[in-house]
Amino acid sequence: GAVVSQHPSRVICKSGTSVKIECRSLDFQATTMFWYRQFPKKSLMLMATSNEGSKATYEQGVEKDKFLINHASLTLSTLTVTSAHPEDSSFYICSARDRTANPSTDTQYFGPGTRLTVL
Amino acid sequence: AQSVSQHNHHVILSEAASLELGCNYSYGGTVNLFWYVQYPGQHLQLLLKYFSGDPLVKGIKGFEAEFIKSKFSFNLRKPSVQWSDTAEYFCAVRSNFGNEKLTFGTGTRLTIIP
Repeated sequence: GAVVSQHPSRVICKSGTSVKIECRSLDFQATTMFWYRQFPKKSLMLMATSNEGSKATYEQGVEKDKFLINHASLTLSTLTVTSAHPEDSSFYICSARDRTANPSTDTQYFGPGTRLTVL
Repeated sequence: AQSVSQHNHHVILSEAASLELGCNYSYGGTVNLFWYVQYPGQHLQLLLKYFSGDPLVKGIKGFEAEFIKSKFSFNLRKPSVQWSDTAEYFCAVRSNFGNEKLTFGTGTRLTIIP
């Protein structure tokens, strides 16, 4: 199946700094990429949807100025957590949809996630 | 808005037991349905999906799920589980309108005792 990578897999940072997480689709072009946040023993919460070349669409309650999303190419999306605080510590997962697939039948492929710890 | 309910939060079974994990969704239109699995320390992987046609779908690793439209359900089943099936299982639904987002259930943690 299709592969989605994330980098870094783990990051520890000090409060107030910014952290960038990269998400790449390795063997397909992704028209749409999604960013999720997963809390311990909880489901995945969709943060935002990004389409290549356009602004991301954020879910209600997600601060777009804090979680900056850039979808610069069909294979790369980045999530930047700005001025991170301990409450931003979480597991962030990206997902990508294959551009060539039928929109009504295609599948999302998930990255391995990035564990962010803010001290 | 669509929502997904997984009523079993933690299921513990012995090897060779049969498995059924419940999933119910709420949405007024046509949906695509998915089951994902997350093994310890690994990323989400697609187990199976339903878009249309035969409501009984077969996935990887011996899993299957049945879409019952009248019950808004998409339960996951496996006749005989293995220790390696220990993982977190997520049901998800997506509106059948192209770029709609996936909505996940809260997940069911499955522990298989050898």
